[in-house]
Parts: sequence; structure tokens; C-alpha cells
Amino acid sequence: DTGVSQDPRHKITKRGQNVTFRCDPISEHNRLYWYRQTLGQGPEFLTYFQNEAQLEKSRLLSDRFSAERPKGSFSTLEIQRTEQGDSAMYLCASSLSVQYEQYFGPGTRLTVT
Amino acid sequence: DQQVKQNSPSLSVQEGRISILNCDYTNSMFDYFLWYKKYPAEGPTFLISISSIKDKNEDGRFTVFLNKSAKHLSLHIVPSQPGDSAVYFCAAARTQGGSEKLVFGKGTKLTVNP
Repeated sequence: DTGVSQDPRHKITKRGQNVTFRCDPISEHNRLYWYRQTLGQGPEFLTYFQNEAQLEKSRLLSDRFSAERPKGSFSTLEIQRTEQGDSAMYLCASSLSVQYEQYFGPGTRLTVT
Repeated sequence: DQQVKQNSPSLSVQEGRISILNCDYTNSMFDYFLWYKKYPAEGPTFLISISSIKDKNEDGRFTVFLNKSAKHLSLHIVPSQPGDSAVYFCAAARTQGGSEKLVFGKGTKLTVNP
């Protein structure tokens, strides 16, 4: 299988805890995106990597959020001191730089209690 | 502000008939448009796309139409099948000088009745 994978699929955490999500893109894709989706909304852009460089961050990405893509392959998204408002589906997508279509993983559903 | 709008939260059609999903955008810098389908508990799946230099793109049962002057696009599904029942998202991108991040609408839930 060469689709985008995300781990874990579900995460329940208590407010104030830190969480980390992982995304493995399609192997030859050099672009990687993180989005967040809440109920009744479409996915909202969080951040974007081209290879290992983080090129853009949304203002939605507060300083409690950090994303890395250390070797230009997999990426991690960490949320520190989680708040109930962080409860959402976190989606990862990847693409080639020569195409505009992005291919999404199944998402990680975060619930902050 | 919502730059990509899908004004119909839901649509119900009979199997075999045409489904038409609509999308409007406000940012004239958008020049690439995509439709995604999403089933519950899954990520969005790419369906079809169109560049602003075209006004129509067809792929099997799916056709996307773009009216740049009206800043409007639509997805036609003919014939509709029960397996098409899902939430459909319209997305737009600015490919010139941008990251090609996608800006999504809120989605339209399509139900195809047997």
C-alpha cells in the first residue's frame, strides 16, 4: 500500500497533556500538508512542508503547535498543553510539487477531555 | 470570511438521476479547483479537478464545470449511484506564488436513494 498513513487513528487525552501525531506520506511525494477539521466544517490548512522545510504556517497554528519533517519523509505534529478547543480531526495530505491534487490520510481524531 | 462556499448542506437524489453540487468562491486569485468525497471516519478522497484555463473537465460519471465570471463551479454526477452517498467538498487553490494550500468549503452531504 502506498497511500498516506496516520497514527494513531484516535487519541483521547486530558486537558493540559501533550500529544504527538505521525504522518507517513506517499513515498515519492515531496510536499506534506497538515489540516484540521471540526464538525460541520471543511478541512482548514495548518502548515506545509516541501521536503524538510516548513514553508508556511497558518495563524491557526498557535505556539502550542509544532510540526516537523526531519528527513523530508514522515512528519509529526505536536500539541502542547492541550485545550478542549483542540478537539478535532487532524488530517495529513501529500502531493508532488508538479501537481496540485493532494492525497489525504485517514486522519487522527483527537478528543480532549 | 468564507472564501469557498457550499450553500447547500445537503442534497437528496434518486438513483440513476443527476446530482448537481454547487460551489462559489470569492477570491479571484484562485486558479485551480478540486472536488473531494468524504465517507465517515475516512479522509477526503480526490475526485476531479479543473484549472481556471478550462471551463469543463470530465472523468467518467463526474464532470466539473467552471464559470470564472460568476466565480462558480459545479460537480455533476451522472448517473448517481447509492455508493456516491457521502459528503462532497469543494476546494480551491492559488497556484501562482503560493503554497497551493487548499481552501475548502463546508461540504454538501449527498444522499442517493435506491
